[in-house]
Amino acid sequence: GENVEQHPSTLSVQEGDSAVIKCTYSDSASNYFPWYKQELGKRPQLIIDIRSNVGEKKDQRIAVTLNKTAKHFSLHITETQPEDSAVYFCAAPENFGNEKLTFGTGTRLTIIP
Amino acid sequence: DTAVSQTPKYLVTQMGNDKSIKCEQNLGHDTMYWYKQDSKKFLKIMFSYNNKELIINETVPNRFSPKSPDKAHLNLHINSLELGDSAVYFCASVSGVGTDTQYFGPGTRLTVL
Repeated sequence: GENVEQHPSTLSVQEGDSAVIKCTYSDSASNYFPWYKQELGKRPQLIIDIRSNVGEKKDQRIAVTLNKTAKHFSLHITETQPEDSAVYFCAAPENFGNEKLTFGTGTRLTIIP
Repeated sequence: DTAVSQTPKYLVTQMGNDKSIKCEQNLGHDTMYWYKQDSKKFLKIMFSYNNKELIINETVPNRFSPKSPDKAHLNLHINSLELGDSAVYFCASVSGVGTDTQYFGPGTRLTVL
């Protein structure tokens, strides 16, 4: 099955600086890579995703890059704000049937005012 | 207007009891999931149903029994609760399969004493 590794497990950045979280995956046939944000006490919510036919996708201050050769993808948050503090999860699908996502172990991002 | 709802939000019970958690989605989605999130925030898939049919059953003790009376509902019954069952349980739904946005419910925090 798919194995997803996520680093770092915790990350603290000064407000206004950038944050980068990286994930690697094992199944070279994987074609969809979402990122979910989970604020304290809340549900995970999709913030951005990328499919394997593109190398980068941006949505305002967040971007995701994908390197299919190296089997890794990264979340980039620029001009960080206090409301970016949360746990972020990457995920990749099990490609047999594509029925399930395997989630990374999460990164707790803290923005220091 | 809630897309994915769960009841109850909190559940505190004694070891050995039996309890149920209910999930409903009004998005018209075909696929629903149960996830377990432990104290370290790891999100692990437990079960998946597509149109009332079980399609994913991870290595979950058979004390856990999901039931889908129709494609908008997915319930989770847990027999003989153990201390290690304490966690937050999330229901989620997706329109197609794993390569689309998953919408999570608000979670049920289960505490077994």
